[in-house]
Amino acid sequence: GESVGLHLPTLSVQEGDNSIINCAYSNSASDYFIWYKQESGKGPQFIIDIRSNMDKRQGQRVTVLLNKTVKHLSLQIAATQPGDSAVYFCATPKEGAQKLVFGQGTRLTINP
Amino acid sequence: KAGVTQTPRYLIKTRGQQVTLSCSPISGHRSVSWYQQTPGQGLQFLFEYFSETQRNKGNFPGRFSGRQFSNSRSEMNVSTLELGDSALYLCASSLVGADRGEKLFFGSGTQLSVL
Repeated sequence: GESVGLHLPTLSVQEGDNSIINCAYSNSASDYFIWYKQESGKGPQFIIDIRSNMDKRQGQRVTVLLNKTVKHLSLQIAATQPGDSAVYFCATPKEGAQKLVFGQGTRLTINP
Repeated sequence: KAGVTQTPRYLIKTRGQQVTLSCSPISGHRSVSWYQQTPGQGLQFLFEYFSETQRNKGNFPGRFSGRQFSNSRSEMNVSTLELGDSALYLCASSLVGADRGEKLFFGSGTQLSVL
């Protein structure tokens, strides 16, 4: 079945630097991926998504890259700000199951 | 447009009690799903409802149940609470469900503590 895993449970970066959060998935048939941000005391908030017919998608200060060959996706955050401190999850739907399968999350900490 | 609303925000119960959590989805969304989030297990799928029908259920004991009303609002119930049920319970809504390649919109959750 589907599984999604993040490479690092924690990531610490300097304010203003770029952050890269990685995620790997197991099912080569997965065709839709979502990144969520969860701040303390809140539910996961949608950041950006990408479908398998794309390799890259850009939002405001965020970019998601999808490498289907190695079943890997990454979230890049440009010019990281203190408000970016949160736990970041990648997720993908499990076919036929009406649910998202989530990775364990990466906690991003911003150093001043 | 109002987001997903979950009530109550916090709950403290004792072992053996039961609890009911409520979720109001985004207007127009007909799919409501529930997830349990714990530090050790991460986000685990509980069940999903669409048009008052449960379409899928996760690997949780029968003490966990839910329902959806005709206005798409949903409730989940946990009976005979155990210490291990302490978690953040998240509700998410979408137009027709995660299977259709939709993103889910989450509420802020109900933090349940079982003493």
